[in-house]
Amino acid sequence: EVQLVESGGGLVKPGGSLRLSCAASGFTFSSYSLSWVRQAPGKGLEWVSYISSGSSYIYYADSVKGRFTISRDNAQKSVYLQMNSLRAEDTAVYYCASEDLEKGNAFDIWGQGTMVTVSS
Amino acid sequence: DIVMTQTPLSSPVTLGQPASISCRSSQSLEHSDGNTYLSWLQQRPGQPPRLLIYKISNRFSGVPDRFSGSGAGTDFTLKISRVEAEDVGIYYCMQATQIPYTFGQGTKLEIK
Repeated sequence: EVQLVESGGGLVKPGGSLRLSCAASGFTFSSYSLSWVRQAPGKGLEWVSYISSGSSYIYYADSVKGRFTISRDNAQKSVYLQMNSLRAEDTAVYYCASEDLEKGNAFDIWGQGTMVTVSS
Repeated sequence: DIVMTQTPLSSPVTLGQPASISCRSSQSLEHSDGNTYLSWLQQRPGQPPRLLIYKISNRFSGVPDRFSGSGAGTDFTLKISRVEAEDVGIYYCMQATQIPYTFGQGTKLEIK
């Protein structure tokens, strides 16, 4: 079965850190770019970060640049999001999603998401 | 950044009737490679988003043919020919032509 499974979310105090993981199965992980997308409670979708298949290209939303770091391990079929200096406005469900270049970089596979709550 | 604007933000529809959602981008989504990287996503209550349409008008695997996409440049439309109960949720357009990727605000489809 093709799937992405996120983990690592939880409750953290402002200024704290968390590391999210996304494990892939059922497809050739090393051939796909991936993104992290977040959704604050009751709000819409916000793209957070992108990493290309071979990690050559990495991009961040301005709202997280300098605080978040994306990485991947193709041998482990996993992508990670290291989140530092967390703020209340980072509270959201974080999804990882794979991008299919043949489908115009559309996000064709989504995980179930992991909740991050930043609160004192 | 490319701003994506959806209308309407809420759409009450009678079962079996058509529905239409518009998405407008603040600049053309046609990439220098000639492709237009506009997709549509559906998010049912309590679920992660799901890809419906990619590159304006291509239905993703398993998506019913009552869903269709059209448009070009800066104006795009998602149509549902006959709304079914399982179509309730929030629909988002998304552009992947330029970083940062951006989404529309979402359109909530409800049954009257």
